[in-house]
Amino acid sequence: GENVEQHPSTLSVQEGDSAVIKCTYSDSASNYFPWYKQELGKGPQLIIDIRSNVGEKKDQRIAVTLNKTAKHFSLHITETQPEDSAVYFCAAFYGKLTFGQGTILTVHP
Amino acid sequence: DTAVSQTPKYLVTQMGNDKSIKCEQNLGHDTMYWYKQDSKKFLKIMFSYNNKELIINETVPNRFSPKSPDKAHLNLHINSLELGDSAVYFCASSSEGHPNQPQHFGDGTRLSIL
Repeated sequence: GENVEQHPSTLSVQEGDSAVIKCTYSDSASNYFPWYKQELGKGPQLIIDIRSNVGEKKDQRIAVTLNKTAKHFSLHITETQPEDSAVYFCAAFYGKLTFGQGTILTVHP
Repeated sequence: DTAVSQTPKYLVTQMGNDKSIKCEQNLGHDTMYWYKQDSKKFLKIMFSYNNKELIINETVPNRFSPKSPDKAHLNLHINSLELGDSAVYFCASSSEGHPNQPQHFGDGTRLSIL
């Protein structure tokens, strides 16, 4: 089955800096890659997603890149703000969503 | 106008009891899911239902029985609760049609077994 590895497990940045979270997947058949943000006491919230026929997608301060050959995809957050602090999950989909282990992002004011 | 709502938000009970968690979505989606998030925050799918039919059952113990009375509801009943069942359970939903539609999650039910 699919296996998704996510790094780093924790990430601490200063407000205004950029943050990058990386994921690799094992099943080349996976064709959909969403990213979720989970705040304390809340459910995961979709922040951006990318399909396998696209290499890059951007939505304001958030961008995702996908390298199908290398089977890895990354989340980029620019101009980070304290409210970006949360747990971020990547996931890969082939029949079902398989999640990475999560990254705790802390943005210091 | 919550999209995916779960009840209760917290559930504290003793080992051996039977409990249910309810989920409702008002997004008009055809597919609903149950996920389990353990103490290390790892999220794993348990079940998936499409139009009231079971699609995915991820080798979950048969003490867990999902029930979908209609497309908008997916409930989870757990028999003979064990300590290892303590976790946060999330319901989610997505639409059918174009493959790989985004999944929308509820805010979870935190289950604590004493």
